[in-house]
Amino acid sequence: GQQVMQIPQYQHVQEGEDFTTYCNSSTTLSNIQWYKQRPGGHPVFLIQLVKSGEVKKQKRLTFQFGEAKKNSSLHITATQTTDVGTYFCAGEIAGANSKLTFGKGITLSVRP
Amino acid sequence: NAGVMQNPRHLVRRRGQEARLRCSPMKGHSHVYWYRQLPEEGLKFMVYLQKENIIDESGMPKERFSAEFPKEGPSILRIQQVVRGDSAAYFCASSPLSGEQQFFGPGTRLTVL
Repeated sequence: GQQVMQIPQYQHVQEGEDFTTYCNSSTTLSNIQWYKQRPGGHPVFLIQLVKSGEVKKQKRLTFQFGEAKKNSSLHITATQTTDVGTYFCAGEIAGANSKLTFGKGITLSVRP
Repeated sequence: NAGVMQNPRHLVRRRGQEARLRCSPMKGHSHVYWYRQLPEEGLKFMVYLQKENIIDESGMPKERFSAEFPKEGPSILRIQQVVRGDSAAYFCASSPLSGEQQFFGPGTRLTVL
C-alpha cells in the first residue's frame, strides 16, 4: 500500500500567504526528495534531504527532514502565482533498491 | 547536454494494439525509471532498470507490460493489447547513480480508444 503520504491533495491560498505541507512515511527513509510539477508538465527536482533534522532553503522555500527520518515539510513564504503546481515528496526507503516512492502530491493554487 | 528524451509525446492506440514508449536518458546516466500518472493522481513507480538489467519491476502489471534497457539504444516500455485503463501519462526518469535526484522526461501521453 501507499507508504508515503501527503494530505491534503489540494490547497488554495491567497497570494502573499505562507504555505506549509507535510509528507509522512510509514518507514524510515534513506533520503527524501521534493519535486514540483506544473500543469501539463513533468516533475522537476527541487531538493534532496539526507540527514536527520536537515533544513535546506531555496529562496522562499524551506525544506525540513524530520529527526526520525520519517517525515518532511515544505514551507513557502509569501506565496506567489508562480508557485502554483503540484508538489510531490518522494522517499527512498532503506533497502528498497534505491527506488523512490512518491506521495500523491499536493496541488497548490494561489489566488492573485 | 540534452535532457531526458521521450517519444512519442502523444500516442493514440485502439484497444488490442501495442504501444511502444521510448526513453533516452541523459548522457552518462545508466539508471532509468518508468512511472505512470493518471489524471489527478500521483506518480506510480513501475520499473527501475540499469543497462541490460531490470533492478526492480515491482510496480509493473504482471501481464501485457514489459520494459527493457538494452546496451545500445533507448529504454523501451512496451504495452501489449492495450485497454482503455492503460490511458495515462508515462514518465521516464534517469539518474547518474542510484539514490540521486531523478531527471524526468516530458512524458508520453497514451490514449486508448
